[in-house]
Amino acid sequence: DAKTTQPNSMESNEEEPVHLPCNHSTISGTDYIHWYRQLPSQGPEYVIHGLTSNVNNRMASLAIAEDRKSSTLILHRATLRDAAVYYCILGFGNEKLTFGTGTRLTIIP
Amino acid sequence: GAGVSQSPRYKVTKRGQDVTLRCDPISSHATLYWYQQALGQGPEFLTYFNYEAQPDKSGLPSDRFSAERPEGSISTLTIQRTEQRDSAMYRCASSMRTSDKTQYFGPGTRLLVL
Repeated sequence: DAKTTQPNSMESNEEEPVHLPCNHSTISGTDYIHWYRQLPSQGPEYVIHGLTSNVNNRMASLAIAEDRKSSTLILHRATLRDAAVYYCILGFGNEKLTFGTGTRLTIIP
Repeated sequence: GAGVSQSPRYKVTKRGQDVTLRCDPISSHATLYWYQQALGQGPEFLTYFNYEAQPDKSGLPSDRFSAERPEGSISTLTIQRTEQRDSAMYRCASSMRTSDKTQYFGPGTRLLVL
């Protein structure tokens, strides 16, 4: 499986944008980029996914580098409720997800 | 149902006992996944089903672990002769079909083996 690299932790102020980076230099042409998050004491929750083009949904935006070797999850206006571990995952999505260790996001009120 | 449900939510057992965990996926979801999550770690894949078929069980840690989905809906994960290292959160997820790229996770079953 292609590997992803994420910072272990990040902090952001409430009501400010957050940019969560993910490096995936060995991504294959058929790998989608998926983001899930896990709030404390809950199961993982789907955030967004994309293949080549940038994607937006009600939760976040996904910016994908032109060479696809990196991507950034953007939370436009962080709230305390966004404090979670964020996982960047490669794959088709309909088989196993390989979670890694993710980025623990702390929101400062 | 509205979401993926799992039972029991907590299970305490003694080493050597067998345990069976249950997952009820979102109604009509074809694909069902099992993951194991140790404290402080991300979930790790165990196995998945497309309806009754089990195409991939590569993540099952030993032959003490088995899973079934006989009618293509509810699934059970059985751990025989439990060991302390089996203590973890066991998470189930489902997705609508094999082409669906979103997995919906249940609340998990916390297993403690004494």
